[in-house]
Amino acid sequence: DADVTQTPRNRITKTGKRIMLECSQTKGHDRMYWYRQDPGLGLRLIYYSFDVKDINKGEISDGYSVSRQAQAKFSLSLESAIPNQTALYFCATSGGPRAQYFGPGTRLLVL
Amino acid sequence: SQQGEEDPQALSIQEGENATMNCSYKTSINNLQWYRQNSGRGLVHLILIRSNEREKHSGRLRVTLDTSKKSSSLLITASRAADTASYFCATERDTGRRALTFGSGTRLQVQP
Repeated sequence: DADVTQTPRNRITKTGKRIMLECSQTKGHDRMYWYRQDPGLGLRLIYYSFDVKDINKGEISDGYSVSRQAQAKFSLSLESAIPNQTALYFCATSGGPRAQYFGPGTRLLVL
Repeated sequence: SQQGEEDPQALSIQEGENATMNCSYKTSINNLQWYRQNSGRGLVHLILIRSNEREKHSGRLRVTLDTSKKSSSLLITASRAADTASYFCATERDTGRRALTFGSGTRLQVQP
C-alpha cells in the first residue's frame, strides 16, 4: 500500500460548491502539507501542519481551509469552488526538516 | 513569489549525455532539495544538500550548492530515457516556519 494516499484522485465540480480533498499517511510523520500545481508551474504551498494542533497558512491559503483530524489525516476544503481553483493538488508529509513524501495527487476541475 | 527558479525551463538531450539544471534562490536557507516529477504524478525526492555542504553525490546524481551565489546545480550523468521528467528544486529557509518553497522546474527530455 502507498505511504501517502489521496482521495478522490479526480473530481469535477461546479462553481460555488464546497468540496473536500482527503489525505492519509502511514509513515508516522508529524508534518503534513497541501500544495497546488498549475500546468507548467511548480508547487505552491496552501497550508501546512507540523502537528495536530499546529496549522499554518502557506502562500496561497485564500479560498481554502484545512482540518488535521489526526496525525495521519489532513483534509483540504474549498469552501466555495471557483474555476481558477482548477489544478492538481498534492498532499505531502515529512518527519522533520528533510525530504517530503508526496501523494499521487488529485486532479480537480471546477466548471 | 517563488523562492527558487530553475534554468533552463526545458532541456532536450540524447541518451548517454549529461544533463545539468540550475536553481537560484533568494533568501538564506537551511537546506536545498531536488525532486523529480513524472508527468502528472507526485514528486519524488532525489537528494538533499545542507547549507554547510558544497557537493553531494547519489548514484548518477551530483548536486552542488554555492550559498554565496544562492545557487545550486543538479547534474545527471549518462542520462537514460527513463530520466525524462520535470525536475524541481526546493528550499527550506533558515528562519521562521520551515516549509519548502519550490521553483518552477526544468522539463528534461532524454531522447533514446
